[in-house]
Amino acid sequence: KAGVTQTPRYLIKTRGQQVTLSCSPISGHRSVSWYQQTPGQGLQFLFEYFSETQRNKGNFPGRFSGRQFSNSRSEMNVSTLELGDSALYLCASSESNTGELFFGEGSRLTVL
Amino acid sequence: GENVEQHPSTLSVQEGDSAVIKCTYSDSASNYFPWYKQELGKGPQLIIDIRSNVGEKKDQRIAVTLNKTAKHFSLHITETQPEDSAVYFCAASVPGTYKYIFGTGTRLKVLA
Repeated sequence: KAGVTQTPRYLIKTRGQQVTLSCSPISGHRSVSWYQQTPGQGLQFLFEYFSETQRNKGNFPGRFSGRQFSNSRSEMNVSTLELGDSALYLCASSESNTGELFFGEGSRLTVL
Repeated sequence: GENVEQHPSTLSVQEGDSAVIKCTYSDSASNYFPWYKQELGKGPQLIIDIRSNVGEKKDQRIAVTLNKTAKHFSLHITETQPEDSAVYFCAASVPGTYKYIFGTGTRLKVLA
């Protein structure tokens, strides 16, 4: 089985721009979660989707949004980028709500 | 709110020695505690987990202990090897949601 695939792996944006990140979960996994990883902060939960519905959202501003498609693929969008949005964005898929999270390798965003 | 504290932030051990990483969680209703290993340039990977109805779990050189009364859980790695060098994250489930709270990570260095 192929693992979780995230694209793009690296990207550079400037302040004020917007960005869309994509995640393809493991085949058969219907839950997709997004986390932001920054040095010293660990992994911060952004949101979780299951069958195209957002079930939980973390404490991030409304500039951060996401969605899930009928094939379980997910995207997250960050609008009006700020320098502090520079981070590794990790997507994880899961078979069940309390099961193991399978992480992708992440999308590293740099905001200049 | 929910919080997971992880210590130490860095840990250096000689090859063959043991390593212990400790985490404390705030929500007494948390019932699932996974540990993830993140190698450079990769996403976190589950190495062991424990549920609240169990006090200890072992998998070869890795073990996790849970003290529900103290809201404390630990990762123990015995006979460390250079390939154990990585960043380790503990996490706790948030009851009633589909998200996890992660610790801030421990960078383990195994010196040959």
